[in-house]
Amino acid sequence: DQQVKQNSPSLSVQEGRISILNCDYTNSMFDYFLWYKKYPAEGPTFLISISSIKDKNEDGRFTVFLNKSAKHLSLHIVPSQPGDSAVYFCAASGRGGSQGNLIFGKGTKLSVKP
Amino acid sequence: DTGVSQDPRHKITKRGQNVTFRCDPISEHNRLYWYRQTLGQGPEFLTYFQNEAQLEKSRLLSDRFSAERPKGSFSTLEIQRTEQGDSAMYLCASSLAGLFYNEQFFGPGTRLTVL
Repeated sequence: DQQVKQNSPSLSVQEGRISILNCDYTNSMFDYFLWYKKYPAEGPTFLISISSIKDKNEDGRFTVFLNKSAKHLSLHIVPSQPGDSAVYFCAASGRGGSQGNLIFGKGTKLSVKP
Repeated sequence: DTGVSQDPRHKITKRGQNVTFRCDPISEHNRLYWYRQTLGQGPEFLTYFQNEAQLEKSRLLSDRFSAERPKGSFSTLEIQRTEQGDSAMYLCASSLAGLFYNEQFFGPGTRLTVL
């Protein structure tokens, strides 16, 4: 069973507009969430994270929102740029990450069109 | 470059052969992780080390897989008697334990193709 779900395999957005990537999780023990970006033939690159004590974390053009009651998080990218085109993975961990392993979703492929 | 490095980047082998991959973590990081990623999936956890100690192993890590981190620095992942189902991208990541929030930084991966 998938504990972290990214239900949209792909998303296409116009340059300059907002990209919203969604992620749902089932395990209420998760308390730390991360987003990674992956280009072809490269490893995932850490983007932004949020702990369960917060509902929002912002870093430049990237904002992550966490809704614990809905077990849902989202990544907002605004404004979107063509260089943001990549696969985005949502990941979760328990005990603040001290549990060791990250549980990843299957990813959402974002295409930003000029 | 002070990121996570992995060697080789690509490996093609015949079924039944043994292969070994190496990972060099970020130098001050004491935790090292191995993941496997197949097409259309996210990375799946295999095992992790804190310093030399292997603290957790996934059920995905069959007895044909062995990982070591002998001096608490680089790590090796060996697959014995490879099978076609072992074809995947093998990713290594590292992090600094002791901090409550544990961001893991990934290397570029080793792509294994078993013929």
